[in-house]
Amino acid sequence: DAKTTQPPSMDCAEGRAANLPCNHSTISGNEYVYWYRQIHSQGPQYIIHGLKNNETNEMASLIITEDRKSSTLILPHATLRDTAVYYCIQETSGSRLTFGEGTQLTVNP
Amino acid sequence: EPEVTQTPSHQVTQMGQEVILRCVPISNHLYFYWYRQILGQKVEFLVSFYNNEISEKSEIFDDQFSVERPDGSNFTLKIRSTKLEDSAMYFCASRLQQGWEQPQHFGDGTRLSIL
Repeated sequence: DAKTTQPPSMDCAEGRAANLPCNHSTISGNEYVYWYRQIHSQGPQYIIHGLKNNETNEMASLIITEDRKSSTLILPHATLRDTAVYYCIQETSGSRLTFGEGTQLTVNP
Repeated sequence: EPEVTQTPSHQVTQMGQEVILRCVPISNHLYFYWYRQILGQKVEFLVSFYNNEISEKSEIFDDQFSVERPDGSNFTLKIRSTKLEDSAMYFCASRLQQGWEQPQHFGDGTRLSIL
């Protein structure tokens, strides 16, 4: 079972920042947090990952709390095409990804 | 940008028939995976593969399933005798190397429909 918890759904206005929270209170010291998204039934798309420092790439920013028990994915200027299910995954085995239910983000015009 | 490609996009098969799903991972990647997603359910891990052998498999991956890297570029999933409950999206993924810092990259999947 997935060890992260996320809200089941969120809404965001187009052009505004979308902030998606994730709790991973059982994360161990050398586990990363990965974020993926899935649009309709397409394959999961990798977004970003981090260990303990905040990370930024062309898609998003990842803010990890100092105790590493939670994180926030930030889409700085959400568009309609960002409507998707977003998964926060704490990789437990170094091999498989264990997907939970994720957060359904709906970006509204 | 390099991507994982899967064929066919949709496969319809009679129950009891064998089916082979094909994947071309990103060219310099060394680790390969299959996942499935039954309609309306979570993405589930099936198997991981490295150095021409299975490195990990889930309880779903029973004797009806097998994987192969036949020619150094393709990575296949075979279901020997399909059942109705095998109907799902099947996703292939690849990863550059082992280690938590390397993400898995997914293809867009094959929709398998068993009649």
